[in-house]
Order: sequence, then C-alpha cells, then structure tokens
Amino acid sequence: LAKTTQPISMDSYEGQEVNITCSHNNIATNDYITWYQQFPSQGPRFIIQGYKTKVTNEVASLFIPADRKSSTLSLPRVSLSDTAVYYCLVSGNTPLVFGKGTRLSVIA
Amino acid sequence: DAGVIQSPRHEVTEMGQEVTLRCKPISGHNSLFWYRQTMMRGLELLIYFNNNVPIDDSGMPEDRFSAKMPNASFSTLKIQPSEPRDSAVYFCASSFHRDQETQYFGPGTRLLVL
Repeated sequence: LAKTTQPISMDSYEGQEVNITCSHNNIATNDYITWYQQFPSQGPRFIIQGYKTKVTNEVASLFIPADRKSSTLSLPRVSLSDTAVYYCLVSGNTPLVFGKGTRLSVIA
Repeated sequence: DAGVIQSPRHEVTEMGQEVTLRCKPISGHNSLFWYRQTMMRGLELLIYFNNNVPIDDSGMPEDRFSAKMPNASFSTLKIQPSEPRDSAVYFCASSFHRDQETQYFGPGTRLLVL
C-alpha cells in the first residue's frame, strides 16, 4: 500500500482558500487518490477522488500533477463548518489505510 | 436510504463483560468494514467482508475480538472479555466491492470499558 504524507494541522481564516498537499511517492499505476473529511463525533465522509489532472465537485477540487506523486485538495472560501480532519488515501480497490490526516481549524 | 446504521451509539461496560456492536450496511453494498478509532492510534481497519465472507482480519487486535456477517444486511463485532484498552469509537462502513475507495461510514459506537 502506498504511504501518504500530509501536514498534521493547518489554520485558516474564514473566506480563504485552503490547499492541503499530500505526497505519495510510491503510488502504483492502478491506484486512485481519495480524500475523506471527518467532523468531530462523526465518521469519515468521502469528498473527492481522482486519478490524474484535476477533479472538481461541489465540495472541493483535487489537483494531481502528471507524475502523480502528490495531490492537493483545495477548499474554496472555507467557513467555520469546514473545521475537520482531512485524510488523503491512495489505493487500487483495496481496503483504505487511514493515516492521522490533517486537522484543519478555521478561525472567524 | 438511511445510510449505515450502527447500534448502540454509546456503550459503557465493566472490564470482563461481553460487548456486541451491530451494523446494518447500505442496501446493495457488498463490502463491509469495521474500524476502530482512538486518539493515539487514529483510524484502524479491523476486518472487512466481501459478500458476507471475511477477507482480511489481520487488524483484529487479538482473539478477544470476533466479527460475523450472517447475511448481507447485518454484521456484529464482539469483544469478549472487554478490557479498558478497548475503549474507542468503533465505526462500520460499507461500499460496493468494485469501488472500495468510496466507503460510507456509520455514526460509530463510542465504547467505554471501565
């Protein structure tokens, strides 16, 4: 399983764009990059997945460079309700391995 | 669909007692996962099933832990006997077998063993 590395924590003010970068140097050809979000006292929630280039949905954007050794989750104009832990995972239809994630704190 | 349903939501028990956690996956999903989350160890996969068959239980801490999936709509995780170090939040998640990256998590069971 590819190992991922992401910052332990980040702080941001409301209204700012937040970019969380994850490195996965050993990603395999058939691996996808998936991000989950976990609010306090809730289970993780799938937010976005990509294989290469850029993916955008109503929650976030995911940027993946050509070498796929890293990915960046972009949250536009964060609000207090985006305070959560964000997990970056890499897998090829195999069970997910959650690391410690990035704890994002949004400040008013 | 109501999503993944877990019961109980909270459980407080004494050391040595048997604890049974229950999970109902999303209808139509054929993969089911049990996780444990603690501050120290984060979110750990304990065991997962495909089509009701246990595939990998290497994450189960020890023989005190057991999991079953008698049918496609129900699974249990049992701890017998329970110990204080088992205190954690236990999550159940389900997905389609062909898309295990997209899992849907239940609300979790918060277990406290005194």
